[in-house]
Amino acid sequence: SQKIEQNSEALNIQEGKTATLTCNYTNYSPAYLQWYRQDPGRGPVFLLLIRENEKEKRKERLKVTFDTTLKQSLFHITASQPADSATYLCALETGSGNTGKLIFGQGTTLQVKP
Amino acid sequence: EPEVTQTPSHQVTQMGQEVILRCVPISNHLYFYWYRQILGQKVEFLVSFYNNEISEKSEIFDDQFSVERPDGSNFTLKIRSTKLEDSAMYFCASTLGTGPYGYTFGSGTRLTVV
Repeated sequence: SQKIEQNSEALNIQEGKTATLTCNYTNYSPAYLQWYRQDPGRGPVFLLLIRENEKEKRKERLKVTFDTTLKQSLFHITASQPADSATYLCALETGSGNTGKLIFGQGTTLQVKP
Repeated sequence: EPEVTQTPSHQVTQMGQEVILRCVPISNHLYFYWYRQILGQKVEFLVSFYNNEISEKSEIFDDQFSVERPDGSNFTLKIRSTKLEDSAMYFCASTLGTGPYGYTFGSGTRLTVV
């Protein structure tokens, strides 16, 4: 069966450190993988997208890697701040023809302590 | 920055009643979606809509659910006869296209069925 799995436990780190979140998937062959941030009671907010032929993508303090052989993406936040505390969602786009949809992992909650 | 707008933000309804959740997607986006998130669970796909028709629907999206884009700007989700298990956050999303585009989500409607 198809699965998207993220670190099930919350991640607690000290301010200034690098947070690394993991997304593993099985029985998918996504052309794109996306990362979203979700704050409590709010909708997901798009952060970054990486293509299957890209190994790494950066945006400010964020870095995403994508290994289609391992079927894994890593999401890094460098120089983390308390404001980075949120749930981070990995999502794959699947679909047929010229339409698609996002399938989400369950998310990893990050807590950055000052 | 353009936003996806959802109304109402909260809705409480009696079991068996009909509800309509409303969304205004981003004006130049072409693909529209409804997702739901039961408290503490992951964001789940309900339905996608493109070119004025449903592209894909999940197993959750049974005959009690319908979607409509009545006037070229609004996008609605109707639940015909609500059940207790329909209580969730419902998110509308839109995207410019499939592939290398992030999705923009609204802030959601919290539906409580009593």
